[in-house]
Amino acid sequence: DVKVTQSSRYLVKRTGEKVFLECVQDMDHENMFWYRQDPGLGLRLIYFSYDVKMKEKGDIPEGYSVSREKKERFSLILESASTNQTSMYLCASSSSEDTEAFFGQGTRLTVV
Amino acid sequence: GQNIDQPTEMTATEGAIVQINCTYQTSGFNGLFWYQQHAGEAPTFLSYNVLDGLEEKGRFSSFLSRSKGYSYLLLKELQMKDSASYLCAVFSGGYNKLIFGAGTRLAVHP
Repeated sequence: DVKVTQSSRYLVKRTGEKVFLECVQDMDHENMFWYRQDPGLGLRLIYFSYDVKMKEKGDIPEGYSVSREKKERFSLILESASTNQTSMYLCASSSSEDTEAFFGQGTRLTVV
Repeated sequence: GQNIDQPTEMTATEGAIVQINCTYQTSGFNGLFWYQQHAGEAPTFLSYNVLDGLEEKGRFSSFLSRSKGYSYLLLKELQMKDSASYLCAVFSGGYNKLIFGAGTRLAVHP
């Protein structure tokens, strides 16, 4: 059974904190993605990676960075959390451009 | 540029048929995906179209016209459990960039 696992389901952090969201996949997928999902705005791509140590900006990268040191793990970093980063964060992985992406269960982050 | 458009909300009656449209403009195109997302859950894969035409999978079918930049998802014999958001997505440009439309929230009522 394929699996994408996000480290936390719910997280509460203070403004200005550095926040790490972890995502691990066990399918040996090349591609990994980080999205945030807000009501009415759908899934917006923050960053993605198509190989180890490779990363590309998505549509809303400001205030975020990522790390992919190993193929199975893709980390999203909020350098200095702000209240407008309160959102649902979803990680996904896929093997190629013609196969479906699999999603983690999501992390609901609240920044206070 | 890139853009994916879907209607925001739709309602339908149990047992009926509903068609959810998606139009897209992207630089580069490698196929279109449809996902279903129930409230509070992660999206799950429904279908993938890379060639023009209709792909049927049980009660769900998906259509693609590459020349028109248009796709639709057809749901037949609607059930209450089909109440969910339906998202279309494409790989855009190079480097395997997967982008989504804002989703269509479908409400099925008795």
